[in-house]
Order: sequence, then C-alpha cells, then structure tokens
Amino acid sequence: EVQLVESGGGLVQPGGSLRLSCEGSGFIFNNFWMHWVRQAPGKGPVWVSRISSDGRSITYADSVKGRFTVSRDNAKNTLYLQMDSLRAEDTAVYYCVRDKYFYDSSGFRLLSDAFDVWGQGTLVTVSS
Amino acid sequence: DIQMTQSPSSLSASVGDRVTITCRASQTVNSYLNWYQQKPGKAPKVLIYAASNLQSGVPSRFSGSGSGTDFTLTISNLQPEDFATYFCQQSHSTPYTFGQGTKLEIK
Repeated sequence: EVQLVESGGGLVQPGGSLRLSCEGSGFIFNNFWMHWVRQAPGKGPVWVSRISSDGRSITYADSVKGRFTVSRDNAKNTLYLQMDSLRAEDTAVYYCVRDKYFYDSSGFRLLSDAFDVWGQGTLVTVSS
Repeated sequence: DIQMTQSPSSLSASVGDRVTITCRASQTVNSYLNWYQQKPGKAPKVLIYAASNLQSGVPSRFSGSGSGTDFTLTISNLQPEDFATYFCQQSHSTPYTFGQGTKLEIK
C-alpha cells in the first residue's frame, strides 16, 4: 500500500521551532518530487514547499521563506520540514504530499502534475 | 502568484442531481488544473488532473473541462458520498495555488 505518514507536530510557543517528518512506503520514494501543504482550521489548503526527487531543487512559499527548510533522506524514504521562528499564523495541519507527473498516451507529453498521495496530516499549533 | 477563484462557495443539492463548480485562474494555466475532494477530518483526494482526466479509481460521474483560465467540475447523479468540499488547484507555476473551496451540502 502506498502511504505517507507524518510525525512531529505539536504545540509550540511563538518564535519556537519544530521538525516534521514524513516517511513514505509502498513506492519508490526517490522517484518523486515531494511537497508540504498546510491547511489552517476551516480554510483551504496552502502550498508551502517542494523538493525535487534528488533534493537539489527546492522552492518555498514567500510566507515561509527564510524560516522553513525542507530536506529529504532518500535512503530512509523520509521527507523533513524544519520550521523555525514560528508564528501564530503558521498554525495548521501540515500534509506531506507526493507529486505525480501525468503524461499522455505516448508517454512523452506532460499533461500536468498533481498531488496524488497525501499523508494523514500533523497538527502544528503556535500559541503562548 | 496565480489566484484561483471558485464559485459558488457553497451549494445545496439532492441525491441524483447534476452540479457544476467553476474555477477561474487570474492568468492562463493551460491545462495544469486539478480538482480535489475533501471530507471532514481527511486529507484532500485528487479527482481530476490536467483539467479533464479522471484519476484512477474515481467514479465516472465526475468530469472536468476547460483550459486557459476557465474550468468546470461536473458531478452527475450525485451520490451521498459526494457531499464534501471541492478545491481546484493550479500546477502551472509555483507557488501552486488552490481555490477557496466549494462546500457541497445535502438539500
């Protein structure tokens, strides 16, 4: 079974740090780009960061740039999100997400990529 | 950043109905548009990728159309398990962005 399991969430004070982990199983982890997506209570999902399959290409949302660091250990099939200088507005459920590239029947033309596997989410609460 | 605007924000319908949700992008995303379904307490699930392609395992009563900036998700013959919140999402360029969601409720 293809699965992503997050851990590491919890309650932290403003200005504090947390490290989230996400372990993948049931698929070849190092074949896929991976993302973090967060969702505040009652709100829509918001993209946070992505990392290429080999870890060399990384992109962040402006709202977390300079505070969050994404990384991966393909030997351990694990994705990480180091979150520093946390703010109240970072409070959300954080999802680890697999990015699948979809091609046409020829196998050469990229149609789109989409988030096809999601973890169960881990809640991060930033509050004093 | 590309802004995604969905309408309506909520919708009431009955089992067996056909409903349509629209999504508009602030600039072209070509066909890099995906649709997700989310039920309370669960992670989103992809239904449609590349605007009109049904993800494996998703019932054929779900369909998508559009390209460029205007897209639609149609659900035919609504089933009880379809009452949920639906989001569009563009994967044309980072930051990947989602619509604000459409909550589909039972009438």
